[in-house]
Amino acid sequence: NAGVMQNPRHLVRRRGQEARLRCSPMKGHSHVYWYRQLPEEGLKFMVYLQKENIIDESGMPKERFSAEFPKEGPSILRIQQVVRGDSAAYFCASSPNADKFSYEQYFGPGTRLTVT
Amino acid sequence: AQSVTQLDSHVSVSEGTPVLLRCNYSSSYSPSLFWYVQHPNKGLQLLLKYTSAATLVKGINGFEAEFKKSETSFHLTKPSAHMSDAAEYFCVVSRNYGGSQGNLIFGKGTKLSVKP
Repeated sequence: NAGVMQNPRHLVRRRGQEARLRCSPMKGHSHVYWYRQLPEEGLKFMVYLQKENIIDESGMPKERFSAEFPKEGPSILRIQQVVRGDSAAYFCASSPNADKFSYEQYFGPGTRLTVT
Repeated sequence: AQSVTQLDSHVSVSEGTPVLLRCNYSSSYSPSLFWYVQHPNKGLQLLLKYTSAATLVKGINGFEAEFKKSETSFHLTKPSAHMSDAAEYFCVVSRNYGGSQGNLIFGKGTKLSVKP
């Protein structure tokens, strides 16, 4: 059973370009979470999605950031018009069923975004 | 609201000596608590979890943690450190949506160094 997959692992963008980060959850998992880790900091929650639904986007910046988890295919985190402050590691996690307390989240290896 | 505080940003031990990484939590509900480990430039791996069963939780690689409600603590311990334990450790609480699991709230992390 493959784990959570993220691609690309490393992404370099110039200021003003768009960044698209992809996450494929573990097989059988229908809940996806995105987190951002800035240098020397812990992970900060961004958004929680189920298939075709955004459940909680309270951690998403109001502008330039969006996320989706379509019925088919991976979850996408999209950052438009990137700025240097967007440089960070972006982690995706998945869980099988968010209705039970005991289910931990399984993390992907992360995408390291560098904005030049 | 849930939160976690990791009391030490950096802990240094000698190989073969005990490890203690401290964590205090705050939660309006009965919390789900986790410890994750992150090796340099890697993703996160779950060490152990507490979900209101036994208060002493055993995890992988010889780590364990004890949930103490009276002290609102969930400290991570290991009897004997190994060089491969050098990494960053995150204490995490699960946000609850009125009984359903939600996103994870991370502490700022504790970097563990192990001296030969």
